[in-house]
Amino acid sequence: QQPVQSPQAVILREGEDAVINCSSSKALYSVHWYRQKHGEAPVFLMILLKGGEQKGHDKISASFNEKKQQSSLYLTASQLSYSGTYFCGTVSYNTDKLIFGTGTRLQVFP
Amino acid sequence: KAGVTQTPRYLIKTRGQQVTLSCSPISGHRSVSWYQQTPGQGLQFLFEYFSETQRNKGNFPGRFSGRQFSNSRSEMNVSTLELGDSALYLCASSSARTGGDEQFFGPGTRLTVL
Repeated sequence: QQPVQSPQAVILREGEDAVINCSSSKALYSVHWYRQKHGEAPVFLMILLKGGEQKGHDKISASFNEKKQQSSLYLTASQLSYSGTYFCGTVSYNTDKLIFGTGTRLQVFP
Repeated sequence: KAGVTQTPRYLIKTRGQQVTLSCSPISGHRSVSWYQQTPGQGLQFLFEYFSETQRNKGNFPGRFSGRQFSNSRSEMNVSTLELGDSALYLCASSSARTGGDEQFFGPGTRLTVL
């Protein structure tokens, strides 16, 4: 079953923060985050493998709440280069498939 | 290290025809997954191959099939094409089986069915 992402779209000014949420109805083994710019292939951002794990690089970080089967992606002090569609992908214990959400479109304006 | 390559990049077919898409993973990667991307539907999982074996399959009709060769290159075949098959088909390779490692996506094959 496809994870649910929220919000579907976000509009930001440079320097503002955003949070993208991803939730699943299944017990999760891992959560992946990817960003896709228009006309390009999705690019890996990070993977979270353990409940409670938080990861980050630069000003993009993510958390994984295994009990709630949720993950959140945090973008702080957004830059123009952050614009794109963000996908979370989840792998549940019983299916072993990487299933992506429908994406969150993020636009950053000067 | 060369990235994931997909051929052809663009394809135009008519209803009823069949098509074969090719994916060459990053050297050393044994896992190849295929996804269909359409506006509003996001990335829909088609199937995953690991060491020439299909490990997982998504909810697509039997017209969609694939295979993986001993050099890890993979092909995807769609028979009896329908208008709704028009989409961007992406393949992704990984060094490990799905779930435990990042996936590297190719540029995709844009299929248009007329």
